[in-house]
Amino acid sequence: KAGVTQTPRYLIKTRGQQVTLSCSPISGHRSVSWYQQTPGQGLQFLFEYFSETQRNKGNFPGRFSGRQFSNSRSEMNVSTLELGDSALYLCASRPTGGSQETQYFGPGTRLLVL
Amino acid sequence: GDSVTQMEGPVTLSEEAFLTINCTYTATGYPSLFWYVQYPGEGLQLLLKATKADDKGSNKGFEATYRKETTSFHLEKGSVQVSDSAVYFCALSSLTGGGNKLTFGTGTQLKVEL
Repeated sequence: KAGVTQTPRYLIKTRGQQVTLSCSPISGHRSVSWYQQTPGQGLQFLFEYFSETQRNKGNFPGRFSGRQFSNSRSEMNVSTLELGDSALYLCASRPTGGSQETQYFGPGTRLLVL
Repeated sequence: GDSVTQMEGPVTLSEEAFLTINCTYTATGYPSLFWYVQYPGEGLQLLLKATKADDKGSNKGFEATYRKETTSFHLEKGSVQVSDSAVYFCALSSLTGGGNKLTFGTGTQLKVEL
């Protein structure tokens, strides 16, 4: 099976712009989660989607949003970018979202905000 | 809330040395516990997991035992190789809201030298 794929892999934006990142989960996986990784804050949970519904959200401002499509692919959007949004954004998928299930991570999208 | 505490890095070892990376957690209920590894420029890969007390996860010579009485999940390997150089993350999966999420430790960088 193909792994989790994320596009684009690298992105450079300027402050105030918005950005959309895409994630395609492993075939058959219906749960997709997003995480932000920064040197200062480490790995932080953004949100989780299951069957096109957001069922869990981390402690991030409303500028961070996401959605999931009927084929389980997910996108996250960050509006009005700030310098502090520079990070590696990781997507992870698992079959149904059960707590015992392994989350399989993609390679990430590295976002640089100038 | 839930939290994971890992020993600070970096950890530098000679090849064939014994490795221990300490991990303790705070969580309500009965979380599942994971060790993930991240190589430079890549996403996270599952190393091993344990889903209930006294379970031992193992993979590629690495082991960790879920100790509920000490709320710990220490990672060990009897003989490290240069190829084990990476950042290791301890994580727990817990129910929150309508779904669940991974809570990560800060990561421990391991460098193995010849």
